[in-house]
Amino acid sequence: GENVEQHPSTLSVQEGDSAVIKCTYSDSASNYFPWYKQELGKGPQLIIDIRSNVGEKKDQRIAVTLNKTAKHFSLHITETQPEDSAVYFCAATYSGGGADGLTFGKGTHLIIQP
Amino acid sequence: ETGVTQSPTHLIKTRGQQVTLRCSSQSGHNTVSWYQQALGQGPQFIFQYYREEENGRGNFPPRFSGLQFPNYSSELNVNALELDDSALYLCASSGRRGQGYNSPLHFGNGTRLTVT
Repeated sequence: GENVEQHPSTLSVQEGDSAVIKCTYSDSASNYFPWYKQELGKGPQLIIDIRSNVGEKKDQRIAVTLNKTAKHFSLHITETQPEDSAVYFCAATYSGGGADGLTFGKGTHLIIQP
Repeated sequence: ETGVTQSPTHLIKTRGQQVTLRCSSQSGHNTVSWYQQALGQGPQFIFQYYREEENGRGNFPPRFSGLQFPNYSSELNVNALELDDSALYLCASSGRRGQGYNSPLHFGNGTRLTVT
């Protein structure tokens, strides 16, 4: 089955700086890669996703890049703000219209220092 | 648009007991998935329901079972509770397209289960 590794486990950056979180996956059949943000006491919230037919996707301060050959994908957050502090999870699955259980990484605790 | 709602928010059970957790899907979604999230870990896929049938399962024993109802709401049942079942149980809904790909998963805030 799929295995997703996520690094780093904790990331502390100064407010206004950029943050990068990296993930690798093992199953070359995976074609859908979402990123979730989880705040304390809440469920994961989808912040951006990418499918294997594109290499990069951007939404305001957030971007995701995908390298299918190397089987890794990354989340980039620019101009970080205090409200970006949370745990971020990457995930992977094969999504073809049928069952598509996500395999998650172990999470990155992002701390934005004022 | 109503999001995914789960009940109860917290639950305490004794080892060996049985528990039922409930979930209402986001409006317009026809597929429900359940995940278990241990403290400090990422969510783990338990199973997915579509058209009231289990349609995909992770590495969980048969004492984890579920139901999906005609209104797309769902239940997760866990029998013979073990201490290791203590976790946050997350329900997520999505829209199955039948071909191509499904819409993204949207999660509820979960049920915190403690087994003593």
